[in-house]
Amino acid sequence: DTAVSQTPKYLVTQMGNDKSIKCEQNLGHDTMYWYKQDSKKFLKIMFSYNNKELIINETVPNRFSPKSPDKAHLNLHINSLELGDSAVYFCASSRNGRHNEQFFGPGTRLTVL
Amino acid sequence: AQKITQTQPGMFVQEKEAVTLDCTYDTSDQSYGLFWYKQPSSGEMIFLIYQGSYDEQNATEGRYSLNFQKARKSANLVISASQLGDSAMYFCAMSFTGNQFYFGTGTSLTVIP
Repeated sequence: DTAVSQTPKYLVTQMGNDKSIKCEQNLGHDTMYWYKQDSKKFLKIMFSYNNKELIINETVPNRFSPKSPDKAHLNLHINSLELGDSAVYFCASSRNGRHNEQFFGPGTRLTVL
Repeated sequence: AQKITQTQPGMFVQEKEAVTLDCTYDTSDQSYGLFWYKQPSSGEMIFLIYQGSYDEQNATEGRYSLNFQKARKSANLVISASQLGDSAMYFCAMSFTGNQFYFGTGTSLTVIP
């Protein structure tokens, strides 16, 4: 059974388009995250949700909008895609409380042409 | 501000030898968590080991151990008896109150047969 799943695995699109990445976890975790990993492998947290509520919103352009319909799902919608958005996007989840390890999805490689 | 530093962009180790990957951090928080993740070339993020800031014993998980020196603010990962499958990127990460989670820049480890 896949613990944290993301779809799609690869996404190739033109500049200016709008796209979504879906994430689901079946671990019963309360907290979910989105990360961006750039071409130099640097991982940066973008958003964190706890029980469907946004708790971390790092300095991310407002073209990025997370949506959590329930605590098992956290989707990422990106408007007006730009070349610099090309990256690997990881979804992750963790148990509630302090200092719990995060379980990562397989990543979505987004390429903007 | 919280900061995590991995000063070794690349490391090489002979198969069956031990290797230490460095991680230093800077925080004024008293409560935090330290993690190591492995990212093989296939791209997934794999949790390896965790150390809490109040834990007095160094964490161990199989061939992985975390050399935690709180006064020096270091949390080095030691991999014993290296295997070819250990070749990957290794990320040190910290968690803080409020579900904040920061990653270091990573170290690329290559195990030589």
